[in-house]
Amino acid sequence: TAGITQAPTSQILAAGRSMTLRCTQDMRHNAMYWYRQDLGLGLRLIHYSNTAGTTGKGEVPDGYSVSRANTDDFPLTLASAVPSQTSVYFCASSDAGGPDTQYFGPGTRLTVL
Amino acid sequence: GQNIDQPTEMTATEGAIVQINCTYQTSGFNGLFWYQQHAGEAPTFLSYNVLDGLEEKGRFSSFLSRSKGYSYLLLKELQMKDSASYLCAVKDSNYQLIWGAGTKLIIKP
Repeated sequence: TAGITQAPTSQILAAGRSMTLRCTQDMRHNAMYWYRQDLGLGLRLIHYSNTAGTTGKGEVPDGYSVSRANTDDFPLTLASAVPSQTSVYFCASSDAGGPDTQYFGPGTRLTVL
Repeated sequence: GQNIDQPTEMTATEGAIVQINCTYQTSGFNGLFWYQQHAGEAPTFLSYNVLDGLEEKGRFSSFLSRSKGYSYLLLKELQMKDSASYLCAVKDSNYQLIWGAGTKLIIKP
């Protein structure tokens, strides 16, 4: 089982350009999440989706948008990248049952110049 | 505001025991998680506590005291592969995870 995959692994992006980070899970989890991780800070939630067709804003949603057309995919789009969006981005998913443990993809390292 | 506090870095010796503490102040409590994250990799789930007490899982144990807003992760018989960051996270009243900045654990031979 692949679990969660993310693409690309890394990317260098010019400021002002747009980009979509891809995330796909094959565990049939209802909930999916996008986090960014910056040195010295905890993981910060950007957007989440509790089920296909619904999305919500996390702690740091500005400059990012998401969609959840189906259970498996949860892309994150940066409409016009800025250098402060340089970070490592992790996608995660969870099954609503029990403790609702989140499982993470391998991450995308994004550098905005 | 919501806050999770963990030591930034700890050093321990191979074969020894180390305790990593986590204190939290959150709006509500619906469980506490510990994750391990090796450098350049994704966080991986280690343990979950929702009731007070100790949860043991092999070499790793996790303790929770809800009244004190306190948890610790205990690692026994340390191995070099345990060198990693350990992340504490609390699920708040909105069922969102609030994350600590992580504790970098350095194991020396």
